[in-house]
Amino acid sequence: EAGVAQSPRYKIIEKRQSVAFWCNPISGHATLYWYQQILGQGPKLLIQFQNNGVVDDSQLPKDRFSAERLKGVDSTLKIQPAKLEDSAVYLCASSTSRGQETQYFGPGTRLLVL
Amino acid sequence: GDSVTQMEGPVTLSEEAFLTINCTYTATGYPSLFWYVQYPGEGLQLLLKATKADDKGSNKGFEATYRKETTSFHLEKGSVQVSDSAVYFCALFTSGTYKYIFGTGTRLKVLA
Repeated sequence: EAGVAQSPRYKIIEKRQSVAFWCNPISGHATLYWYQQILGQGPKLLIQFQNNGVVDDSQLPKDRFSAERLKGVDSTLKIQPAKLEDSAVYLCASSTSRGQETQYFGPGTRLLVL
Repeated sequence: GDSVTQMEGPVTLSEEAFLTINCTYTATGYPSLFWYVQYPGEGLQLLLKATKADDKGSNKGFEATYRKETTSFHLEKGSVQVSDSAVYFCALFTSGTYKYIFGTGTRLKVLA
């Protein structure tokens, strides 16, 4: 079974530029999560999708971050414009359903904002 | 709100030493508790979990017991290997919020 795929693995941009990350979850997984992991901290949930609908985006900085999962499969997370404090690893995870405790994580995208 | 507190690292041990990484939690409900491991350059992998009080999770020689009375879920291994070098995250999951709350992680370095 293929795992959660993410791309790119690394990205370096200057502040005020925009950037997008892509995630393809495990086939058949209804729930998809985006986390932000700042160096030295644990992952923090940004947004949670159930199929193609948002069920929790309470910690997403909506003035600059956006995410979509149009067909209920893969997802993109965008930052526009980026700030220095957005430097982090962005992790995508999926699970079979929202109530399923076990989540499967992708390798992450490491973002550096200069 | 719910929270997880882990001991700060890094933890440096010699091969075959005994490992303990402390984890305590605060939760209003009855959470499930997890340990995840993150190897360099990789995503988080589930190491073990426990879903109710007094449950013991175990995997790859690691184990942790869900202690409700002390709100703890300490990770232990009797004899660590160099390949265990990684960052370990304690986390809780509550069915009310369907969210993971992660600790800050503890880096383990095992020397040959």
